[in-house]
Amino acid sequence: AQSVTQLGSHVSVSEGALVLLRCNYSSSVPPYLFWYVQYPNQGLQLLLKYTSAATLVKGINGFEAEFKKSETSFHLTKPSAHMSDAAEYFCAVSRMDSSYKLIFGSGTRLLVRP
Amino acid sequence: ETGVTQTPRHLVMGMTNKKSLKCEQHLGHNAMYWYKQSAKKPLELMFVYSLEERVENNSVPSRFSPECPNSSHLFLHLHTLQPEDSALYLCASSQEPAGGPNTGELFFGEGSRLTVL
Repeated sequence: AQSVTQLGSHVSVSEGALVLLRCNYSSSVPPYLFWYVQYPNQGLQLLLKYTSAATLVKGINGFEAEFKKSETSFHLTKPSAHMSDAAEYFCAVSRMDSSYKLIFGSGTRLLVRP
Repeated sequence: ETGVTQTPRHLVMGMTNKKSLKCEQHLGHNAMYWYKQSAKKPLELMFVYSLEERVENNSVPSRFSPECPNSSHLFLHLHTLQPEDSALYLCASSQEPAGGPNTGELFFGEGSRLTVL
């Protein structure tokens, strides 16, 4: 069975500070891992994904995530937060053979203070 | 129109009403999904259609009835709902087959906010 755990339902940072959103996964097979972002009153949008190529994955808007198999983690980072980054972020895991089995974490709401 | 479009964006209905949510995708994808997003709960996958056939039905109550007349359109018919069904209903699409380079890459609509009184 697969699952994801996002530590912290809310994370608050100052504008310009480092953003770190944590995600740990559990999977009995090699996983695909994703970060999705949801801005207010919108649907989810793919931020980046890991598909067993490079372990450091770069996404849109300056975000990146590193796959660490030994730690079963896929944390999302951005060196400098911007006010427009305020949103809810979802980590997700999928088996390689199916999009139908995409499992989402419970989400982390990022607040950016001016 | 581009991407995934959902209508209506907001819907208020009584417990005895019948209403439908509509989703249309303009991406040429061959799979479509309904998700339910409730406050303080993870996203719940409700239904998946691939090539217009239902491939997933995650123990959803029968008061929710999906319909996929073609690969571009997806409906969710609602009947005698309960207040706990109030949520944001998200439609998504993807390009399959399973195991392809786009696995897990879903494109979402903006959602239909449903309130059941």
